[in-house]
Formats: sequence, C-alpha cells, structure tokens
Amino acid sequence: EAGVTQFPSHSVIEKGQTVTLRCDPISGHDNLYWYRRVMGKEIKFLLHFVKESKQDESGMPNNRFLAERTGGTYSTLKVQPAELEDSGVYFCASSHLGQGGSPLHFGNGTRLTVT
Amino acid sequence: QKEVEQDPGPLSVPEGAIVSLNCTYSNSAFQYFMWYRQYSRKGPELLMYTYSSGNKEDGRFTAQVDKSSKYISLFIRDSQPSDSATYLCAMSAGGTSYGKLTFGQGTILTVHP
Repeated sequence: EAGVTQFPSHSVIEKGQTVTLRCDPISGHDNLYWYRRVMGKEIKFLLHFVKESKQDESGMPNNRFLAERTGGTYSTLKVQPAELEDSGVYFCASSHLGQGGSPLHFGNGTRLTVT
Repeated sequence: QKEVEQDPGPLSVPEGAIVSLNCTYSNSAFQYFMWYRQYSRKGPELLMYTYSSGNKEDGRFTAQVDKSSKYISLFIRDSQPSDSATYLCAMSAGGTSYGKLTFGQGTILTVHP
C-alpha cells in the first residue's frame, strides 16, 4: 500500500508569491487533513476534508490559504500571497472514514520557506 | 497556556535504558491519546493510541493515560539506537473530531550505543 504522498518536498519562494502544495492520500481514505508546524512550535491542525467536503477548517490562519479536494481524491493547499510567517512544514494525513480508532497516516511534509 | 504541554528535552540515554516520556493536558474533552514517532525529515508515525484511561502495551512500548490527573506517559524498555527520534504526544476529542489532533511540542530522544 502506497503511503500519503506530498509534493513538492521543499519549496522556496519570495514574499508575495503564490505556492500550491499537493497531497495524495492513501487510496480509499475519505478523511484528509492538513497540519502545519512552524519553527519552534508544535504541529497544528489546519483543516479536515471528508471526501470533497470541508468538515472543519477552524485551523486555517487567514483567507490567504485556500484548500481544495476536487473529486474527493488528492488535495491542494494554496497560499496567496505568501508571507514570511507562512514558513514551516506542511503535513497532510489521511484515514478511513469512521468515528474513531482509524489511525492517521502522515506524509513526509512539504518544507516551505518564504524569503 | 498551551492545551498540551510536553518537555522538548533533549533527552539522552544509553542503550538498554528505560525511557519515560510524558505530557500533561488541560482539555477535559480529550478522549483519544496517541504517541507518534518522527524521524528527521519524515512525517509522524503512529506508535500507540489509547482510548480513555488505562494502560496499553505493544512490545517494548507501554502507554499510560491518567485522565484524573490529565497526564499521559510513554515508556520504552530496552531502548535501542534506532529509537532515536522525536516523540510527539497527540490527543483528540473523538467523534467527528477524532482526526483533529492537538500535539505536544515533541521530545527529542537520543539513545547512545
């Protein structure tokens, strides 16, 4: 079984530019999550998709962040325009649909550096 | 105050030692408690998860949850150099929020041969 795949593994952009991160979940996983870890801080929840619908986007920092999951398969997270404080590691995770007990499988993350 | 507190370490032990990792939390709604291991430049990997209070053992790893004290622990017996990693505690309220995890900052562990 292929794991959660994230592209790119590393991105360096200038302040004001746009970046799009992609996540391919494990096949058959309806739950898809985005998390972020900024330097020196803990990993924090951004949002949760169930299939193509946003279940919970309470962790999204502001309207410069846009997440989509067209067709309920892969997901993208776009940052536009990027700011210095957006630098960090963005993780995607997926799991089977269910009320509990289904473990989250994390990708290796995209390391974003905004200069 | 953070919802989950975890001593970031670093923690350095000799091979074969027993390692104790801990987290405290403040949110009484948390029902699911997990420990993740993260190697450098990799994503978190689930080690153990426990529902509500109690102990759970898996090989050299034992997870304990004390909800009355809002305190969770992970014990690693006979530690190996391959256990060197960052250990993250995480917890959630369950239900539709099962995957909405609140993480601790992580403890960096090094096991010396």
